Amino acid sequence: GAGVSQTPSNKVTEKGKYVELRCDPISGHTALYWYRQSLGQGPEFLIYFQGTGAADDSGLPNDRFFAVRPEGSVSTLKIQRTERGDSAVYLCASSSTGTYVQYFGPGTRLTVT
Amino acid sequence: QKEVEQDPGPLSVPEGAIVSLNCTYSNSAFQYFMWYRQYSRKGPELLMYTYSSGNKEDGRFTAQVDKSSKYISLFIRDSQPSDSATYLCAIITGANNLFFGTGTRLTVIP
Repeated sequence: GAGVSQTPSNKVTEKGKYVELRCDPISGHTALYWYRQSLGQGPEFLIYFQGTGAADDSGLPNDRFFAVRPEGSVSTLKIQRTERGDSAVYLCASSSTGTYVQYFGPGTRLTVT
Repeated sequence: QKEVEQDPGPLSVPEGAIVSLNCTYSNSAFQYFMWYRQYSRKGPELLMYTYSSGNKEDGRFTAQVDKSSKYISLFIRDSQPSDSATYLCAIITGANNLFFGTGTRLTVIP
């Protein structure tokens, strides 16, 4: 079946602009996660959704970052007033109820110039 | 102190060698232990996971967990050039978010 998909695969934006990154999880997976991976580092947790609600947003670095999952499927990560330090690969993962195994998408490579 | 420590390498081995990859962790509440493989410009791909101390084998891969030492390992037997990738250990508590190591970059030389 289809895996986790993310769009766009690459995004270049200017400092100060607003961006949206989209994640389409595996069909039927109730849990959805966003991570950020900087060069040479492992992924770092940002936010976790169970259904439509954010169960844990403790990893969001500041209030410029926001994520939604209005219908419990597709999620959008929104970044306002982007900064050069936001440049990274943003990864999305999903898992099914009752398991801890997370399946990752290919990521969106964000470059802020 | 980071939750999970992993030697970033890089590590280069000849084809056919046995590879040992290791991580240490600090939080004894961690319950589930995973290894992901990540090829360049791709997302992490789950290789193995376990929740108990001891060994778990899957083909050429063996995951080992020692909870008393807070130490986890991944062994790759008969390594192949296609195993060249970054290997990430990941650990989870009941809270569901994964804590990753920095990843070890492995190159298997034909």
